[in-house]
Amino acid sequence: DTGVSQNPRHKITKRGQNVTFRCDPISEHNRLYWYRQTLGQGPEFLTYFQNEAQLEKSRLLSDRFSAERPKGSFSTLEIQRTEQGDSAMYLCASSLQDHQPQHFGDGTRLSIL
Amino acid sequence: DAKTTQPPSMDCAEGRAANLPCNHSTISGNEYVYWYRQIHSQGPQYIIHGLKNNETNEMASLIITEDRKSSTLILPHATLRDTAVYYCIVLGDYKLSFGAGTTVTVRA
Repeated sequence: DTGVSQNPRHKITKRGQNVTFRCDPISEHNRLYWYRQTLGQGPEFLTYFQNEAQLEKSRLLSDRFSAERPKGSFSTLEIQRTEQGDSAMYLCASSLQDHQPQHFGDGTRLSIL
Repeated sequence: DAKTTQPPSMDCAEGRAANLPCNHSTISGNEYVYWYRQIHSQGPQYIIHGLKNNETNEMASLIITEDRKSSTLILPHATLRDTAVYYCIVLGDYKLSFGAGTTVTVRA
């Protein structure tokens, strides 16, 4: 399967813990995006990478959130000191160029106890 | 990016065509119309996109009005597996802005 891969699929953690998610985009896709989806809502944009450069961060991404894409390949999204409100599905997408379709992974569902 | 308006829900009979409308009256000349769908517990799936011309692929057809203020996604022969939330999105740069979408239920 050459689609977008996200790990883990599910993460359950206690409030205050740090969590890290990984996204492996479709090979040769140099654009990578993170979105967050809460129950009953559509996905919301979080951040965008062009190769290894992070070009935009949404205001939804507080200072507890950090995303990286070393070497322009896979990406990680880390949440420090998790809060109840961080419970959501975190989705990753990749595309070849800006106006090419974004292809999504199946997300990481985060539950904060 | 321009906002879109979609009906909240619609039903469709299995084997019939499903026509999903979308209004985007404030669309700009360089903005694309994208359609995605999301089946429960999965990530959004790209369906089709267009700028001015009608488009067709193996999944669906996209009809864009001449003034580009509205569009229709056509699923030619709906199956039970087409039951999903369908999102119409106007894309200007790179941020997909998902609204509430249309919940489509295909009934046997």
